[in-house]
Amino acid sequence: EAEVAQSPRYKITEKSQAVAFWCDPISGHATLYWYRQILGQGPELLVQFQDESVVDDSQLPKDRFSAERLKGVDSTLKIQPAELGDSAMYLCASSPRLDRVGEQYFGPGTRLTVT
Amino acid sequence: GNSVTQMEGPVTLSEEAFLTINCTYTATGYPSLFWYVQYPGEGLQLLLKATKADDKGSNKGFEATYRKETTSFHLEKGSVQVSDSAVYFCALRWGGATNKLIFGTGTLLAVQP
Repeated sequence: EAEVAQSPRYKITEKSQAVAFWCDPISGHATLYWYRQILGQGPELLVQFQDESVVDDSQLPKDRFSAERLKGVDSTLKIQPAELGDSAMYLCASSPRLDRVGEQYFGPGTRLTVT
Repeated sequence: GNSVTQMEGPVTLSEEAFLTINCTYTATGYPSLFWYVQYPGEGLQLLLKATKADDKGSNKGFEATYRKETTSFHLEKGSVQVSDSAVYFCALRWGGATNKLIFGTGTLLAVQP
């Protein structure tokens, strides 16, 4: 069964350093999502792509976070500089089409610890 | 604004016990509702969904009914197994411009043999 791939699975970085996460969605899925999940809370959408275009980045802290999906396939989420409050699980998900938003397939996540 | 409220966990049950995890929502319009499950060390998986009032979603013995009058979507299972131990998230699909999902805080279920 096809899966969403994410790397790395775990990342420890120091405050003020740059960090990047990678996501490879299920083949053929046009819509890609990045979520942040703080311990004890539900996932919160950071950015949503339809192919290579950003559909929603209203919750993305744009002063330090950036996301790209240049060829409409895999995607990278970057934080620069990292802050202590960025410690969280970063989840990537994909779905076949924008109108099937509830049918999202999630990757295992990247757990970020900022020291 | 649109939001989802779930009962706090952890919920600890013995095997074969009856499960209810409460979920209520606040939303404008008529959202679609979902339950996702996250097993230890894995990503979230869609468990079931309902797209309109009085719909019942079901999967793997779990059920939830979309109750517009009480704005609820409680998750139930008649007989839980140890393998059901996981975190369960209720979510709604908010229309708007992007049809994004809004999640509750999650409820940890621990089933003991």
